[in-house]
Amino acid sequence: KNQVEQSPQSLIILEGKNCTLQCNYTVSPFSNLRWYKQDTGRGPVSLTIMTFSENTKSNGRYTATLDADTKQSSLHITASQLSDSASYICVVSDRGSTLGRLYFGRGTQLTVWP
Amino acid sequence: EADIYQTPRYLVIGTGKKITLECSQTMGHDKMYWYQQDPGMELHLIHYSYGVNSTEKGDLSSESTVSRIRTEHFPLTLESARPSHTSQYLCASSESLPLAGGYNEQFFGPGTRLTVL
Repeated sequence: KNQVEQSPQSLIILEGKNCTLQCNYTVSPFSNLRWYKQDTGRGPVSLTIMTFSENTKSNGRYTATLDADTKQSSLHITASQLSDSASYICVVSDRGSTLGRLYFGRGTQLTVWP
Repeated sequence: EADIYQTPRYLVIGTGKKITLECSQTMGHDKMYWYQQDPGMELHLIHYSYGVNSTEKGDLSSESTVSRIRTEHFPLTLESARPSHTSQYLCASSESLPLAGGYNEQFFGPGTRLTVL
């Protein structure tokens, strides 16, 4: 069964600190892995997309890593800001259909305190 | 500016009412999607479309229906709303042809929060 598991479920950090979010998946055949940021009451916004051959990708203070062998990914946030408070969703796409089906994790709810 | 819009953003209605959630995109994308999301849970695909006059059911069974008469418009309809339909509904769109990396990025609208009393 294709699944995406994220940890922790929720996280509270102080402004300026770093944090790392984890994602494990069982989706096969693998196409790509995405990290989305979803603010409360809004739609998800893409942060990074990584294919099989990529093991790290950065977008400003966000750095994602991918280990396709162990089927694990992480999202590292550097020097957190209050605006980073959101749900971070790991999404994996398969190559098994023309639709490019997306499998969503439940997200990690990050709260940044001043 | 290319974007994807959903209206209304919030809707509170009584049981048995017919409702239509609107979704429009100005990016010229052929593929469009409807997802359902409950608080703290993952997004579930309920409908998708490859283009005009194409509609398919997604992974999660839904009593809603969709239509795709125009490329830019993908409305979702509930003929008789029930409290079990209370949820957030997210619309998304993507290109048909994959990008250089072999993937299609999906762009999401802001969502409609539906509450059925």
